[in-house]
Amino acid sequence: EAGVAQSPRYKIIEKRQSVAFWCNPISGHATLYWYQQILGQGPKLLIQFQNNGVVDDSQLPKDRFSAERLKGVDSTLKIQPAKLEDSAVYLCASSFLTDTQYFGPGTRLTVL
Amino acid sequence: AQSVTQLGSHVSVSEGALVLLRCNYSSSVPPYLFWYVQYPNQGLQLLLKYTTGATLVKGINGFEAEFKKSETSFHLTKPSAHMSDAAEYFCAVSDQGGGNKLTFGTGTQLKVEL
Repeated sequence: EAGVAQSPRYKIIEKRQSVAFWCNPISGHATLYWYQQILGQGPKLLIQFQNNGVVDDSQLPKDRFSAERLKGVDSTLKIQPAKLEDSAVYLCASSFLTDTQYFGPGTRLTVL
Repeated sequence: AQSVTQLGSHVSVSEGALVLLRCNYSSSVPPYLFWYVQYPNQGLQLLLKYTTGATLVKGINGFEAEFKKSETSFHLTKPSAHMSDAAEYFCAVSDQGGGNKLTFGTGTQLKVEL
């Protein structure tokens, strides 16, 4: 079974630029999560979708971050404009409803 | 609110020695508890999880953890460390039936020396 796919794996941008990350979950997994992992810290949930509806986005900085999951399958996370403190690994995970979460390899973002 | 504390950001053991990584949690409701491992430049892989039932949980690669409610702990152990165990380990907690949101600790980097 294919795992969670993410792209790109690495991205370097200047501050105030915009960036987008893509995630394709495991087939059949209705729930999709985006986490932010800053160096030296544990992952922090940004947003959780069930199908194409948002379950929890309480920790998403909505002034600059947005996410969508059209058609309830793959998802895109966008940052506009990026700040230096957004440098982190962005992890996507999926689960069958509220079962075990499976993580993708992540996208490492560097903001200069 | 839930939280996780992992004591020791770096742990070093000799190959063949006991591995003990500590995790304490705070939760106002019965928790689900997890240990994940992260190898360099990779995502997180589930080692084991506790939901209900038996408090001693066995996972992959010879790891196990014991849920101790009285101590609010979920320490991870492995009897004999192998070089391939060198990685970062994260403890996490979620609410039972709380929508599956994971709250992670800050991680413990395990180093295995010859």
